[in-house]
Parts: sequence; C-alpha cells; structure tokens
Amino acid sequence: DAEITQSPRHKITETGRQVTLACHQTWNHNNMFWYRQDLGHGLRLIHYSYGVHDTNKGEVSDGYSVSRSNTEDLPLTLESAASSQTSVYFCASSEGTSATYEQYFGPGTRLTVT
Amino acid sequence: AQSVAQPEDQVNVAEGNPLTVKCTYSVSGNPYLFWYVQYPNRGLQFLLKYITGDNLVKGSYGFEAEFNKSQTSFHLKKPSALVSDSALYFCAVREDGGSYIPTFGRGTSLIVHP
Repeated sequence: DAEITQSPRHKITETGRQVTLACHQTWNHNNMFWYRQDLGHGLRLIHYSYGVHDTNKGEVSDGYSVSRSNTEDLPLTLESAASSQTSVYFCASSEGTSATYEQYFGPGTRLTVT
Repeated sequence: AQSVAQPEDQVNVAEGNPLTVKCTYSVSGNPYLFWYVQYPNRGLQFLLKYITGDNLVKGSYGFEAEFNKSQTSFHLKKPSALVSDSALYFCAVREDGGSYIPTFGRGTSLIVHP
C-alpha cells in the first residue's frame, strides 16, 4: 500500500545545530507540504512543493528550507535550530491535478530544541 | 481569500448521543471542503469532503457532513458517538480555481464520555 513516512519520529537537538527531517511518500503525488503544529496555533504551513525542483514558502518559512530532487522526497532542514522551533512537524502530500484532492499526512516528527 | 472557522475549541458529548462539530467558511467562489481527524500522537487522517452535488456527504467511521451554502457551513455529524471518536477534528477549505493550499481551522477537540 502507498504511504507517507517521516523520520525520525522523535528528535532532540541543541540550539544552533542544523537538523534535517525526512519525508518520503509512495503515492507518486506531485504536491508535498510541510506543516508545524503547536498548541493554540493549529497547523501552520512552512514550505510546499508542486513538483521536482519546485519549492515555495509558506506562512512560517523563516529558519527553514526544503529541496525537491525527486517526486518521493521533501526533506525539511532547520538551518540553525532555535527553541522556538520546538514543535511537531507533519509532512503531507496530495495529487497535483486538482484542488479537489485531499491531503495524506505522515505520522509526524516531534522535535525538541534545547 | 479563503478562511475557515471552527467556533468551538472543545465539544463534549455522551456516548450514544448524536454529535456535531461546527465549521464555517469564507471563499470568493465555490468551496471545496474537507474534514480530517487526528488521534493522539498521529497524523491527520482524511474523513470526508464536499466537492459538488449532494449536500450531505458520508465519510469514514460513520461520520457525515452537511454543506449549507446559504449559511456557509459544513458541520460534521454522527448519529451516535463512540468513546473511540474522541480526537481532534480539523475542517479545511480550498477554493475552486484557487491554489492547492488548503486553509485549516484551528481544530475542535471532541471528547466522548462513557
């Protein structure tokens, strides 16, 4: 069965370190998204991609970057981790041909920055 | 611009009673509306969507939602709640002809009491 996976599921890192969160989907979806979820804020979009070599900033992109070298993967990099980036991160994907398609979410990565 | 509101942070219901989780939206054109559920320590799961046609949409786990254009609402319902329905529920909207980026509500925590 097709799926979307994230790794690691839990990560503790120190302030100032670079961290990369992996996202891999086997749906063959063109669209991929990164969100963070914090109490009181719901889901906030960090970056998204409509296809290979395409990346776009979301509403909370400062301090984060992504690259899309193939259809299956959209890794999220925190250039220099800050305590404000402690959060739960979700990757999602959807078909790229219509806005009628739902998103499929990964299980999440809980990141703690100390 | 598209927006969605979930006016209740929390809904409490007794097991066996009907439940309603409210969602209202705002778009310039025709809406595409989605409901997702999030169980503890899991990613969001798609429940159902309204694209066009019948205003009553049936989805997974016995849930249904009613699209009401005049009231710009898309409330999630279930005739008989189960304790296992306790979770966080998100409403999302995209606009016909708009981007593939949905706007999510802040989420409603549903608590079903035995």
